[in-house]
Amino acid sequence: DAGVIQSPRHEVTEMGQEVTLRCKPISGHDYLFWYRQTMMRGLELLIYFNNNVPIDDSGMPEDRFSAKMPNASFSTLKIQPSEPRDSAVYFCASSFDSTPGLGEQYFGPGTRLTVT
Amino acid sequence: LAKTTQPISMDSYEGQEVNITCSHNNIATNDYITWYQQFPSQGPRFIIQGYKTKVTNEVASLFIPADRKSSTLSLPRVSLSDTAVYYCLVGDIVRAAGNKLTFGGGTRVLVKP
Repeated sequence: DAGVIQSPRHEVTEMGQEVTLRCKPISGHDYLFWYRQTMMRGLELLIYFNNNVPIDDSGMPEDRFSAKMPNASFSTLKIQPSEPRDSAVYFCASSFDSTPGLGEQYFGPGTRLTVT
Repeated sequence: LAKTTQPISMDSYEGQEVNITCSHNNIATNDYITWYQQFPSQGPRFIIQGYKTKVTNEVASLFIPADRKSSTLSLPRVSLSDTAVYYCLVGDIVRAAGNKLTFGGGTRVLVKP
């Protein structure tokens, strides 16, 4: 398996523009997570899905952020409109449903977003 | 999710054993202890997870005392490539909902030649 795939790897956009980040989880994984990492706040969970259903979005910073998982092999994280403070590295991760605790999550390479 | 406290940084030398202790005084009954490793410009990578006593895999050992209020990740005979940030997480995915799972600052381990 190729692992978790994220695209694009780098995104530079201007404030006010819409940004869409994409993720393909590992085949057969039931959980999908979106994280954001910054120097100030560390690595934070934004939202996670179980069997394509959003379970918890309490980490989503505000209404400008939205995430979807239309099927088991694809998810998007959208920011509209984007702001400079959204600049960060966004990671997608997936894991098996049967794993106890917080599970063995497999992370993608991340998308480095810069909003100017 | 239980709040965790771990050292900000540690230095070591090649071939030595590195032990990183994480405190989690308010760990809940269903919580597991999970450790991740992160290299610069990469996503975190799972190292090991345990519930009690000792867990060992091919890269590390995890020691958990009976009260489970702390845990120690042990990296045997480290090499330069083990230089990374190590995160301790405590929780359970079912109860993670609404608890703003955050990896925190982690422990920056620097392995010197």
